[in-house]
Amino acid sequence: GAGVSQTPSNKVTEKGKYVELRCDPISGHTALYWYRQSLGQGPEFLIYFQGTGAADDSGLPNDRFFAVRPEGSVSTLKIQRTERGDSAVYLCASSYSGQGGTEAFFGQGTRLTVV
Amino acid sequence: QQQVKQSPQSLIVQKGGISIINCAYENTAFDYFPWYQQFPGKGPALLIAIRPDVSEKKEGRFTISFNKSAKQFSLHIMDSQPGDSATYFCAASSDTGNQFYFGTGTSLTVIP
Repeated sequence: GAGVSQTPSNKVTEKGKYVELRCDPISGHTALYWYRQSLGQGPEFLIYFQGTGAADDSGLPNDRFFAVRPEGSVSTLKIQRTERGDSAVYLCASSYSGQGGTEAFFGQGTRLTVV
Repeated sequence: QQQVKQSPQSLIVQKGGISIINCAYENTAFDYFPWYQQFPGKGPALLIAIRPDVSEKKEGRFTISFNKSAKQFSLHIMDSQPGDSATYFCAASSDTGNQFYFGTGTSLTVIP
């Protein structure tokens, strides 16, 4: 596709449920990032993939959060036992190489609401 | 700890005026400073970026001014238009790092 695609656009789930958020990066981009954006705040880093491997997962808040990118393209962010504090917009971005200073292209985000 | 500090939080400018948003950082390892524009319901989109080897970069109505010694950089929007109304984020990264550090954002409103 022409840009980074994220699905679903919106997700409402009950507290305690499991959710999966999908990211389809720009074709050929080896680097993929997940960020979380709370209302009125800037995006906060969660995890970075270079190819299939998670090169940096230091931003994941706890072990309820997990992400995979099994074939080096599509990535899924998985959240177990969701809590109301997980409500936010989850942004995915991709870049050609992932080296610092490389332009990152963002998707439109998935707005997660935990009720 | 906020790695990149951004101000003001909100800004209202008359059409045709100059919008100025400021950012400051502490980590001297940062060497890439992009500005992102975000409209409601959309993801951030890269507007313009600068590296510390230059003090200014201009693209159309958008200019980044960079002061390496003060560890500050700013976005200037000349001849501001209502269509520029959006939230603007500054960010920083390093060649050895794996992430962008974002400011808290500035909500710009341009009044016709």
